[in-house]
Amino acid sequence: DQQVKQNSPSLSVQEGRISILNCDYTNSMFDYFLWYKKYPAEGPTFLISISSIKDKNEDGRFTVFLNKSAKHLSLHIVPSQPGDSAVYFCAASANAGGTSYGKLTFGQGTILTVHP
Amino acid sequence: KAGVTQTPRYLIKTRGQQVTLSCSPISGHRSVSWYQQTPGQGLQFLFEYFSETQRNKGNFPGRFSGRQFSNSRSEMNVSTLELGDSALYLCASRRQGAVTEAFFGQGTRLTVV
Repeated sequence: DQQVKQNSPSLSVQEGRISILNCDYTNSMFDYFLWYKKYPAEGPTFLISISSIKDKNEDGRFTVFLNKSAKHLSLHIVPSQPGDSAVYFCAASANAGGTSYGKLTFGQGTILTVHP
Repeated sequence: KAGVTQTPRYLIKTRGQQVTLSCSPISGHRSVSWYQQTPGQGLQFLFEYFSETQRNKGNFPGRFSGRQFSNSRSEMNVSTLELGDSALYLCASRRQGAVTEAFFGQGTRLTVV
């Protein structure tokens, strides 16, 4: 039962354009969402997060949008740069049963390639 | 501020052996979680420790265990290694608080032969 899904295995965009990465979830208990960037054989690097009390959060070139009714979130990168090429994971967590957001449930990842 | 440190970075073990991996969290972080990444299953949660107590556990067999010390450093142990345990093992630490992001180490690449 995959509770967090990233349905696009890969995305290719031109430098300077917008990259939009999508993520869907099924567990309505999730109320905190994060995006991570990962290179092979390295640990994920935190990018941006959003709590369910918000529908948008911005940090520089990165913006995350949350649509709770659709159980959907997206990461926008504007403008995209070749250095953004990596695997992007969305993750979700919940303060359920006193676990206090300690468990992250990850999607399968989307490979983003930004062409010069 | 130093990041999350995992040792060793690479390990090769034989089927049936056991292995211990170590994780030192960011200073001041008291929550440590472990994840396994494989090509087939993606990133999967193993367990979380806080104040030397296991607070949450994922869906892994009992061969996978862990512990946390009073200085928040954590170890995970895998006994009776199987070929399918070959993976990148990642440790993440968090500040204790309401909602806080997890910061990951570079991982330990375990190969079981």
